[in-house]
Amino acid sequence: EVQVVESGGGLVQPGGSLRLSCAASGFTFSTYWMTWVRQAPGKGLEWVANIKEDGSDKYYVDSVKGRFTISRDNAKNSLYLQMNGLRTDDTAVYYCAVGFGGFEYWGQGTLVTVSS
Amino acid sequence: DIVMTQSPDSLAVSLGERATINCKSSQSVLSSSNNKNFLAWFQQKPGQPPKPLIYWASIRASGVPDRFSGSGSGTDFTLTISSLQAEDVALYYCQHYYNTPPLFGGGTKVEIK
Repeated sequence: EVQVVESGGGLVQPGGSLRLSCAASGFTFSTYWMTWVRQAPGKGLEWVANIKEDGSDKYYVDSVKGRFTISRDNAKNSLYLQMNGLRTDDTAVYYCAVGFGGFEYWGQGTLVTVSS
Repeated sequence: DIVMTQSPDSLAVSLGERATINCKSSQSVLSSSNNKNFLAWFQQKPGQPPKPLIYWASIRASGVPDRFSGSGSGTDFTLTISSLQAEDVALYYCQHYYNTPPLFGGGTKVEIK
């Protein structure tokens, strides 16, 4: 059974940092692109970043470039999102999704709240 | 970037009636290499992650009832719920996965009339 579990969310002040993690199991993690998608309260889905199977290619939405870093550890079946310079408009539920698009598997999400 | 535009933003349909949601991409998402449309549809209920409904524009995901169907090609796509059930009240999103960034549409809220 495929499982995708995010962790690391919480309350942080503007300008602060958080590191999100996504633990995956039930599939061959190293053969899939992985993606972070976020959803601000009451808003739609926003693609944030993705990373190629071997970590060699990474892409970001313009609003997080230079502040967020996506990474993965295929030995640990884990995906990460290092978020620095957090802003109030980064407040959202952050989902880990399996694949490049048309995601078959999603985690339940982890809430990041940026507020003073 | 390929921008996805959904319409309408919301719609109210009577139980048992048809619901139709449209999705338009700013560029074609039809691949000439495999003749497939890189377009997916998702359903999201409150407090839950999105659930995949349709891949490749018209292929139902595993376990999705056959009242859900996807159609279209190139830049214009449609999700149809043939006979709306109470459990279909949700937000629906299209997404292209033709290239990076694989953007989502703005979403359509489906309610019961």
